[in-house]
Amino acid sequence: DAKTTQPNSMESNEEEPVHLPCNHSTISGTDYIHWYRQLPSQGPEYVIHGLTSNVNNRMASLAIAEDRKSSTLILHRATLRDAAVYYCIPRGTPNAGKSTFGDGTTLTVKP
Amino acid sequence: NAGVTQTPKFRVLKTGQSMTLLCAQDMNHEYMYWYRQDPGMGLRLIHYSVGEGTTAKGEVPDGYNVSRLKKQNFLLGLESAAPSQTSVYFCASSYLTPNTGELFFGEGSRLTVL
Repeated sequence: DAKTTQPNSMESNEEEPVHLPCNHSTISGTDYIHWYRQLPSQGPEYVIHGLTSNVNNRMASLAIAEDRKSSTLILHRATLRDAAVYYCIPRGTPNAGKSTFGDGTTLTVKP
Repeated sequence: NAGVTQTPKFRVLKTGQSMTLLCAQDMNHEYMYWYRQDPGMGLRLIHYSVGEGTTAKGEVPDGYNVSRLKKQNFLLGLESAAPSQTSVYFCASSYLTPNTGELFFGEGSRLTVL
């Protein structure tokens, strides 16, 4: 199973962009890179996912390195509501059942 | 559309007691998962299921059993609860393929074993 490495914590000021890195150097060629976030006292929620190309949605952008060994979740303008733990996880068949989370990155947003 | 529903949301057990957590999803997802989350830690996969009638072990399966008799339900059982099983338990479900397979999580079940 592919392992991921994320910084334990990061800080950002409100209204500023945030770049959350994830290293997944052992990812297989068919694994998608998923990002989730967990707000305090809630279950994780989906943020974004991609395979090779950069992806954008209403919540964030995902930049994937050309060699796919790392990716970066980009929050374009951090708000106080973005304070959460962010997880990146590789997901791919046939091991999609073994979706394991690391400890993630705790993002603190300062007003 | 309820999504993923977990019951109960809170439970206190004494050491040695048994209980079952129920996870129900109404999205017709093939995959279902049970995770536990200890304070300040990430989620650890206990067991998962790739379809009705199938189950498989995750990272930390010891002390737990699961069943998937119906596609929409995934049960997590503790036969003899231990204080080390005090945790928040999350259920999740997803479609089969990762391209459309975002994980949908329940709100969690907080279990305390005394």
